[in-house]
Amino acid sequence: DAGVIQSPRHEVTEMGQEVTLRCKPISGHNSLFWYRQTMMRGLELLIYFNNNVPIDDSGMPEDRFSAKMPNASFSTLKIQPSEPRDSAVYFCASSLLGGAEAFFGQGTRLTVV
Amino acid sequence: GQQLNQSPQSMFIQEGEDVSMNCTSSSIFNTWLWYKQDPGEGPVLLIALYKAGELTSNGRLTAQFGITRKDSFLNISASIPSDVGIYFCAGQDSGANSKLTFGKGITLSVRP
Repeated sequence: DAGVIQSPRHEVTEMGQEVTLRCKPISGHNSLFWYRQTMMRGLELLIYFNNNVPIDDSGMPEDRFSAKMPNASFSTLKIQPSEPRDSAVYFCASSLLGGAEAFFGQGTRLTVV
Repeated sequence: GQQLNQSPQSMFIQEGEDVSMNCTSSSIFNTWLWYKQDPGEGPVLLIALYKAGELTSNGRLTAQFGITRKDSFLNISASIPSDVGIYFCAGQDSGANSKLTFGKGITLSVRP
């Protein structure tokens, strides 16, 4: 029974480069969430999708961040251009539509140098 | 926006002791959840609570949904070293959206 799968687990990139994080939600889950975790701000919701449609992207820090969900089994979070302050752990989570029980992936640790 | 408050930021206990954590909010939530995060991993759901006043156990863990719907408690009994980690509370309101609001978490250390 595969959980939420994220790739890569670690990403080190230079400032100004494009970064793409990937997520495969749990099969059958209709809601998908992208979170960012830092020591200072804790877990922040960036954006979430219901049935592949973005519902709330108010947490996306700025236009450099974009997220897509082309189908029910895949989502991407892209940062272009990346900056050192984007360094954080990015989590993807999924749940049944409207359900509170969200299941998290193992995260992608992003370091921008 | 909605905020969940967890304090203190860190707790230190001796192995075998019980520990209690609480989470408070200025607004009402209709569902409360508790997650645990181990180093290098994503948060893992421990307990979900759906009714005000509900008391639910999962092994040595017990959580309660406050009757005001503005707070929740998590108790860990007879702590063991593997209880070390960050404990987050989360709440979901009854709106059409399904997003969760998370607290900042409490880091628990257990001394052998």
